[in-house]
Amino acid sequence: DTEVTQTPKHLVMGMTNKKSLKCEQHMGHRAMYWYKQKAKKPPELMFVYSYEKLSINESVPSRFSPECPNSSLLNLHLHALQPEDSALYLCASSQGPGSQETQYFGPGTRLLVL
Amino acid sequence: EDQVTQSPEALRLQEGESSSLNCSYTVSGLRGLFWYRQDPGKGPEFLFTLYSAGEEKEKERLKATLTKKESFLHITAPKPEDSATYLCAVQSTDSWGKLQFGAGTQVVVTP
Repeated sequence: DTEVTQTPKHLVMGMTNKKSLKCEQHMGHRAMYWYKQKAKKPPELMFVYSYEKLSINESVPSRFSPECPNSSLLNLHLHALQPEDSALYLCASSQGPGSQETQYFGPGTRLLVL
Repeated sequence: EDQVTQSPEALRLQEGESSSLNCSYTVSGLRGLFWYRQDPGKGPEFLFTLYSAGEEKEKERLKATLTKKESFLHITAPKPEDSATYLCAVQSTDSWGKLQFGAGTQVVVTP
């Protein structure tokens, strides 16, 4: 089973809202990732959690805040977003450092910021 | 800095017309090269991982190969359901966890 699930599938929010995206995997993986993908562009890495330690892409603005409650769950908290943050947000997981490096992606959350 | 270049940007094929996609890469040390297919509005679907030059992997009508500078994804006798964007990504030995993606090749297979 190589399934990563994401909720919600679609989200529309205003610039003053606070919302959260959720991701879950049951493959026993110890690394989880958030990516942002704009139309007709490849995914861009935002955050990596490996053994529940966070690595950040320093270009990601602070209005995005990741949280890893446990090794199978990953959240992305959104606050005061801008219209240019509208994109497909992808979660992925992999076994972790020193193991099989392949990342498996979820179906994504389509976010629209008005 | 790691770089990945995919060509062509777009490819239109007749059903049954075999072709190849190219992924050229520059990386300090290769930890792995990955191929994904992506349908519009969906997450990338994993196809292959290649680790060293000379390695080949096959799955149904797809075959991926790797040299020290590039990888090819061969599509044999494609069907309309093979229509998708194919993404190539590399991970270097310097940056665990970070995938550097190419821009992708959009493939359309017509009946």
